[in-house]
Amino acid sequence: DTGVSQDPRHKITKRGQNVTFRCDPISEHNRLYWYRQTLGQGPEFLTYFQNEAQLEKSRLLSDRFSAERPKGSFSTLEIQRTEQGDSAMYLCASTERGVATEAFFGQGTRLTVV
Amino acid sequence: SQQGEEDPQALSIQEGENATMNCSYKTSINNLQWYRQNSGRGLVHLILIRSNEREKHSGRLRVTLDTSKKSSSLLITASRAADTASYFCATVPFGNEKLTFGTGTRLTIIP
Repeated sequence: DTGVSQDPRHKITKRGQNVTFRCDPISEHNRLYWYRQTLGQGPEFLTYFQNEAQLEKSRLLSDRFSAERPKGSFSTLEIQRTEQGDSAMYLCASTERGVATEAFFGQGTRLTVV
Repeated sequence: SQQGEEDPQALSIQEGENATMNCSYKTSINNLQWYRQNSGRGLVHLILIRSNEREKHSGRLRVTLDTSKKSSSLLITASRAADTASYFCATVPFGNEKLTFGTGTRLTIIP
């Protein structure tokens, strides 16, 4: 297993367009997290899944954001009608036993909205 | 919202010196974790310390936790150029199922 992978690594989009990111966690990990990180800041929690169930969403996750993990494996994060303020690094992480164990992060998807 | 605050925000030292970073947090925690992030990359887990532990070592890393002061420190001994990165503490508050990150310390090792 090569760890957590995210696709694409970089995305430039025009304001108002929709974008979708994909995360493939480590295969035996049932917990998957999405975070957002802006320049000079620490990652901020967006949402997490236990298998296919989305158990918590941050207030940061507006109605334009939706995340899925349909079969409890890979996950997608979609942003509709992107705004310049959505420009950030979107990080995915997975863990074997929730927050009692270390989180493995992907390399992130850097989104630039122009 | 960010629960932790790292101090200092930035630190530059000569290669071979020790680097110490501090983290303060606000609420009671289950555990505290330190992560490293190289520029523009994902985060790499360094060490996890549970609320009932006071000190932990891993190679050149030493982490302490003082729950009465709600603070933790990360010491990197005999620093190397490859240690140049941002370091974040992340807490797991009691009853919570997510990591809450601080604002990070930017460490620069001067060769």
